Amino acid sequence: DTGVSQDPRHKITKRGQNVTFRCDPISEHNRLYWYRQTLGQGPEFLTYFQNEAQLEKSRLLSDRFSAERPKGSFSTLEIQRTEQGDSAMYLCASSPIAGGGGSWETQYFGPGTRLLVL
Amino acid sequence: SQQGEEDPQALSIQEGENATMNCSYKTSINNLQWYRQNSGRGLVHLILIRSNEREKHSGRLRVTLDTSKKSSSLLITASRAADTASYFCAPLGSQGNLIFGKGTKLSVKP
Repeated sequence: DTGVSQDPRHKITKRGQNVTFRCDPISEHNRLYWYRQTLGQGPEFLTYFQNEAQLEKSRLLSDRFSAERPKGSFSTLEIQRTEQGDSAMYLCASSPIAGGGGSWETQYFGPGTRLLVL
Repeated sequence: SQQGEEDPQALSIQEGENATMNCSYKTSINNLQWYRQNSGRGLVHLILIRSNEREKHSGRLRVTLDTSKKSSSLLITASRAADTASYFCAPLGSQGNLIFGKGTKLSVKP
């Protein structure tokens, strides 16, 4: 297995356009997370899925953002009507659920999608 | 906020020296994870330490956790130029997400 992959790696778009990013987690990882990172800051949580269910959403995830994980495998993050403030690195991570208790395990990150909104 | 806050913000050392980075957080945690990030790249997981553990080792890395003081530290021994990166601690938040601070920027000079 090659780890978490993200596509595209870079995206340049004009303000007002819609963009969609894809994340393929490590196979058999039940949990999938989206984070956003701006320059000089640490990543900030956006949302996470357990299988196909979206269980948590940050207040950072405005109405213009939507995420899906339709079959509990890959996930997409769409940003509608992009704004210059959306420029950032979008990171995806996945983790397994260990044991019967659903314990929280290591989150493995992908390389990220760098978005630039002009 | 449960934000992990790293200290110092920047650290510059010579190759072969040890580097110590500290992290504080604000509420109770399930676990705490340390990550490394090279400039403009994704995060690489270093160590996960659970709330019932006090110390963990992995190669040249040593992590401690003091839940009474809500703090953790990362020690890198015998540093190398390749260790130059930003290091983040990330306590696990109540929503199941990692809470990152701004990180410590480590520079190891050959």
